[in-house]
Amino acid sequence: GESVGLHLPTLSVQEGDNSIINCAYSNSASDYFIWYKQESGKGPQFIIDIRSNMDKRQGQRVTVLLNKTVKHLSLQIAATQPGDSAVYFCAESNSGGYQKVTFGTGTKLQVIP
Amino acid sequence: ETGVTQTPRHLVMGMTNKKSLKCEQHLGHNAMYWYKQSAKKPLELMFVYSLEERVENNSVPSRFSPECPNSSHLFLHLHTLQPEDSALYLCASSQERDFRGNTIYFGEGSWLTVV
Repeated sequence: GESVGLHLPTLSVQEGDNSIINCAYSNSASDYFIWYKQESGKGPQFIIDIRSNMDKRQGQRVTVLLNKTVKHLSLQIAATQPGDSAVYFCAESNSGGYQKVTFGTGTKLQVIP
Repeated sequence: ETGVTQTPRHLVMGMTNKKSLKCEQHLGHNAMYWYKQSAKKPLELMFVYSLEERVENNSVPSRFSPECPNSSHLFLHLHTLQPEDSALYLCASSQERDFRGNTIYFGEGSWLTVV
């Protein structure tokens, strides 16, 4: 079946460095991608999204890159801070009737002070 | 504050109990969801309601029974659960427009422990 997966389960980054979290997806019909952040004991929180007609989108300290050719998505966090420590999920969705979002297992980002 | 409120945040119940999880969204959305999150597993979609009508039921056991009385409220009724049902249950909502999806917003979740 279709799936969304993450390359690394855990990523450790020094405070102040940039973080890159990668994600692969397999559904070529996906046209909408979302990154979520989930802190311990909380629900997933929307960070940034991108539609398939774009290859890059920037937010505050975060950038999402989409490579449709290789079905790859990445989240870049600039100047990583201790508050960025969390599990990050990528998710994909395709249009059709109602929204159906497929989530990966998540990557845990640990920021080293 | 995400605009999606879940109660209770924590629930411990025996296998013979009947309890309910409640979700309320203040975002004016017309679709609501129940997801299950277990350790080391992706989020599992359980139920979807669009315009108060159930549109998806992902082969969820009948011991889980959803109810959507209006577009702002969603319940998950629980009865005769098993210990393996212990998990974080997440409610979410989104705005469906012209059959194109949009961002899902999650609540903080209800931690369920079945003893």
